Amino acid sequence: DAGVIQSPRHEVTEMGQEVTLRCKPISGHNSLFWYRQTMMRGLELLIYFNNNVPIDDSGMPEDRFSAKMPNASFSTLKIQPSEPRDSAVYFCASSFGGGLSQPQHFGDGTRLSIL
Amino acid sequence: AQKITQTQPGMFVQEKEAVTLDCTYDTSDQSYGLFWYKQPSSGEMIFLIYQGSYDEQNATEGRYSLNFQKARKSANLVISASQLGDSAMYFCAMREGNTDKLIFGTGTRLQVFP
Repeated sequence: DAGVIQSPRHEVTEMGQEVTLRCKPISGHNSLFWYRQTMMRGLELLIYFNNNVPIDDSGMPEDRFSAKMPNASFSTLKIQPSEPRDSAVYFCASSFGGGLSQPQHFGDGTRLSIL
Repeated sequence: AQKITQTQPGMFVQEKEAVTLDCTYDTSDQSYGLFWYKQPSSGEMIFLIYQGSYDEQNATEGRYSLNFQKARKSANLVISASQLGDSAMYFCAMREGNTDKLIFGTGTRLQVFP
């Protein structure tokens, strides 16, 4: 079975550029999560969706960040304009919602470097 | 206040020995779940084991087991018969009953030596 698929695996770009990270959740999972991991702040939840609807975006740092989930099999996280402090590993995770015991399954992450 | 606390930034263990990674949590919910994840140097996050707040038995998954002490609000991960491939960061996380969000601890870096 395919796991959570994220693209690109690595992204290096100059500040001010738009960055789009992509995620395909596990088929049948109805919850999708975007995380950011840095040395300073650890693993932070940015936003999550249930059934394609954003439920909690309180972790989104600022208006430069936006996330969409147009259908059950695809989500994007966009940063515009990007800044060097956005450099981090961004993870997408999905789970089969409805049960406390359902683990989140993570993609391999996108390592983002903003120069 | 920290909801998940992992007090051991780093741990060393010899191959084939057992090791315990500590995790304490803070919640006023009666219904919650505790998860452990492994992050090897390659970066992916791998789900290891789950313990529910109402589970009376400690969870086990192969060489992983959870020492769940509800009254002390601790959920320590025990890895038996350590292998070199167990060297990684280990994260404890909690999900409270009224949300899908996972709250992660800061992690413990485990090094297994021959």
